[in-house]
Amino acid sequence: LAKTTQPISMDSYEGQEVNITCSHNNIATNDYITWYQQFPSQGPRFIIQGYKTKVTNEVASLFIPADRKSSTLSLPRVSLSDTAVYYCLVGGTPGAGSYQLTFGKGTKLSVIP
Amino acid sequence: DTGVSQDPRHKITKRGQNVTFRCDPISEHNRLYWYRQTLGQGPEFLTYFQNEAQLEKSRLLSDRFSAERPKGSFSTLEIQRTEQGDSAMYLCASSTTGPTNEKLFFGSGTQLSVL
Repeated sequence: LAKTTQPISMDSYEGQEVNITCSHNNIATNDYITWYQQFPSQGPRFIIQGYKTKVTNEVASLFIPADRKSSTLSLPRVSLSDTAVYYCLVGGTPGAGSYQLTFGKGTKLSVIP
Repeated sequence: DTGVSQDPRHKITKRGQNVTFRCDPISEHNRLYWYRQTLGQGPEFLTYFQNEAQLEKSRLLSDRFSAERPKGSFSTLEIQRTEQGDSAMYLCASSTTGPTNEKLFFGSGTQLSVL
């Protein structure tokens, strides 16, 4: 199982772009990279998923370099409501169960007014 | 609302008592997961169902824990003879099979406090 490393915490001011980088040096060929967001007293919420290059949706962008040993979640113009814990997960062969996905401690993002 | 529903939201029990939690997944989802989360930690995988079959259990799962998913719909997680170390948030998630990597939809969890 691919292990991930991400910063424990980050602070940002409102309106700034936030980039959270996750390292996954032993990512396997079939592994996808998925990011979840979690607010206190709630379950994690899917943000974005990618395999290579760049993926963008209405919430965030995910940048994955060619070697796929890291990935960066980019949150444009954060607001106070983006204060949460962000988890980077690697794994999950297409069609297989996600039980292979391991949540680390995540990155606690604090947005400051 | 067609999201994942968990009941109860909070449960306080005394050590040694049995507790049962319920999870109603998104109706068309055939996969269901249970996770446990303690303060400051990420969710920890407990067990996984595809339809009614329990296909995977964490090695960390004590034999006091049992989960069922009759008829492949809702699921229950029972903890027998609760211990203070069982105090945690118990999360349920569901997903569906598909050609691409799946994404999990989580419920709001059941917060268990064992006194």
